[in-house]
Amino acid sequence: GESVGLHLPTLSVQEGDNSIINCAYSNSASDYFIWYKQESGKGPQFIIDIRSNMDKRQGQRVTVLLNKTVKHLSLQIAATQPGDSAVYFCAENRNPMDSNYQLIWGAGTKLIIKP
Amino acid sequence: EPEVTQTPSHQVTQMGQEVILRCVPISNHLYFYWYRQILGQKVEFLVSFYNNEISEKSEIFDDQFSVERPDGSNFTLKIRSTKLEDSAMYFCASSGTISGALHFGNGTRLTVT
Repeated sequence: GESVGLHLPTLSVQEGDNSIINCAYSNSASDYFIWYKQESGKGPQFIIDIRSNMDKRQGQRVTVLLNKTVKHLSLQIAATQPGDSAVYFCAENRNPMDSNYQLIWGAGTKLIIKP
Repeated sequence: EPEVTQTPSHQVTQMGQEVILRCVPISNHLYFYWYRQILGQKVEFLVSFYNNEISEKSEIFDDQFSVERPDGSNFTLKIRSTKLEDSAMYFCASSGTISGALHFGNGTRLTVT
């Protein structure tokens, strides 16, 4: 069935290293993708988004890459800090044209920062 | 920075009781949403709301659920007769445009006993 999912449930990285979190999606019609960060006890927090007419977008210390050919999305976090510890979700918009969108979420990847 | 606020942070109720979860979206936003997250699982879409009516709803959002924007600031989710499986974190979100990023509140943890 269709799904948005993450390859790894947990990712452990050394403080200061770069982190790469991956996501696969299955609906080639999706045109909008978002990465959210969820810290314990809090709601999802928007990190960065990308539309399907782009393959790369950069923010502050974060980069999202979109490969439409293989339906793959990744989030790169540069110089990972302790405050980056959280669960990261990718989400896709499956109703890009017709109506208000509803996001379909991946399962989440827990990012653990090792000191 | 404007934020979405939700109350209460934790609600405990008995099975069969009605609950109302409250949200104050960001003031100039026009699109409102409810999502839920069962512990350890994915975030699931429930409903979207625009121009005082439901735009979309998921299979989860059955007749036991309803939403309302009773005034210019609040957006509520009502569950008429709660079931054990309704226990989850409920997140309210809003966006300024139809294609804009969602801004989430910190959620209400609903525990049905």
